Amino acid sequence: GAGVSQSPSNKVTEKGKDVELRCDPISGHTALYWYRQSLGQGLEFLIYFQGNSAPDKSGLPSDRFSAERTGGSVSTLTIQRTQQEDSAVYLCASSLRGTTWGNTQYFGPGTRLTVL
Amino acid sequence: GENVEQHPSTLSVQEGDSAVIKCTYSDSASNYFPWYKQELGKGPQLIIDIRSNVGEKKDQRIAVTLNKTAKHFSLHITETQPEDSAVYFCAARLSNFGNEKLTFGTGTRLTIIP
Repeated sequence: GAGVSQSPSNKVTEKGKDVELRCDPISGHTALYWYRQSLGQGLEFLIYFQGNSAPDKSGLPSDRFSAERTGGSVSTLTIQRTQQEDSAVYLCASSLRGTTWGNTQYFGPGTRLTVL
Repeated sequence: GENVEQHPSTLSVQEGDSAVIKCTYSDSASNYFPWYKQELGKGPQLIIDIRSNVGEKKDQRIAVTLNKTAKHFSLHITETQPEDSAVYFCAARLSNFGNEKLTFGTGTRLTIIP
């Protein structure tokens, strides 16, 4: 079946512009995560959505970052007034609802954001 | 919060030899440890995982071991092949019916020398 998809695959923007990144999770997956991968670094958690619950925004680096998830499916990560340090690959992952041991997170291909 | 350290950052092995990547974690409450393989231009793909109620798990040429007392876990790849060349990430997670965010190591770039 279809995996997690993200769009665009690449985004080049100018400093100060706003950008929107989209994630389509696997159908039926109720949990959705956004991570950021900076050059040569591991993945850094940004935000978590589970069903209709309030999202866990504890990983967002600043108030310029926000995300929403409409209808429990598609999610959009918005970065306002982009800075050069925002340049990174933004990865989305989805999983089934948590159980005692948790569920596997499946990642999309990512969006490479370059801020000039 | 959880902190995961991963070593080495780069690893080169001859085709056919074994590769070992090691990770340590800080939160003794973490109970799930996946390994992801990331090829150039792609998202991470799960290759194997282990839960804290077992000490070892194998899947063909890949195995993972977990030492809860020492809080470290390792990935073992035997009979390496050129297609094993990629960046490998370990991760740790506390599954608590809530946010199951993964805390990742910084990655190991594995190169298989033909």
